[in-house]
Amino acid sequence: GAVVSQHPSWVICKSGTSVKIECRSLDFQATTMFWYRQFPKQSLMLMATSNEGSKATYEQGVEKDKFLINHASLTLSTLTVTSAHPEDSSFYICSARDRETYNSPLHFGNGTRLTVT
Amino acid sequence: LAKTTQPISMDSYEGQEVNITCSHNNIATNDYITWYQQFPSQGPRFIIQGYKTKVTNEVASLFIPADRKSSTLSLPRVSLSDTAVYYCLVGFETGANNLFFGTGTRLTVIP
Repeated sequence: GAVVSQHPSWVICKSGTSVKIECRSLDFQATTMFWYRQFPKQSLMLMATSNEGSKATYEQGVEKDKFLINHASLTLSTLTVTSAHPEDSSFYICSARDRETYNSPLHFGNGTRLTVT
Repeated sequence: LAKTTQPISMDSYEGQEVNITCSHNNIATNDYITWYQQFPSQGPRFIIQGYKTKVTNEVASLFIPADRKSSTLSLPRVSLSDTAVYYCLVGFETGANNLFFGTGTRLTVIP
């Protein structure tokens, strides 16, 4: 149980284009979902918290106009990297908590490898 | 924020028991301790969670002393497939504490 599906698993795009990444909780509902970015050999860095039905909360230093987050339902959050540049190339990972489980741990998707050329 | 400190890396031979300790000196009363495992190019995977004393599941044990200022993840009889990065997070779900990852411990299992 507690499966988070993330799509696509990898994407290559040209500089200046936008890319959308989907994160779905398959067998539970999540009021909040979390988006992380991870560079090679480094730890995960929290980018933003996605809130169902309301605006996302961004961590300091993360541009909200560049990383658009939408959380339209209790099972789906999307991250759109707008006007992507090579420095946005990274591994993006989403996670969610099961809102029905007391002190639920984070359940992670398998990540999306973004390469901007 | 309950900051965590772990060894950066550890090596172990196959079949040995591995213990990874995490320090969290300013853990709050309501905070739980959660451990995750991450393989390259994959999202982290939940291993175990505990509040105090000892917790055991099918893959690991978690030892938490009475003062809760540290915790130890114990992996019995590791195999090559246990080579991964292990992270401990401390916090409670209604707070933001357990969203922030530390450096993690890179475990390398040697044949």
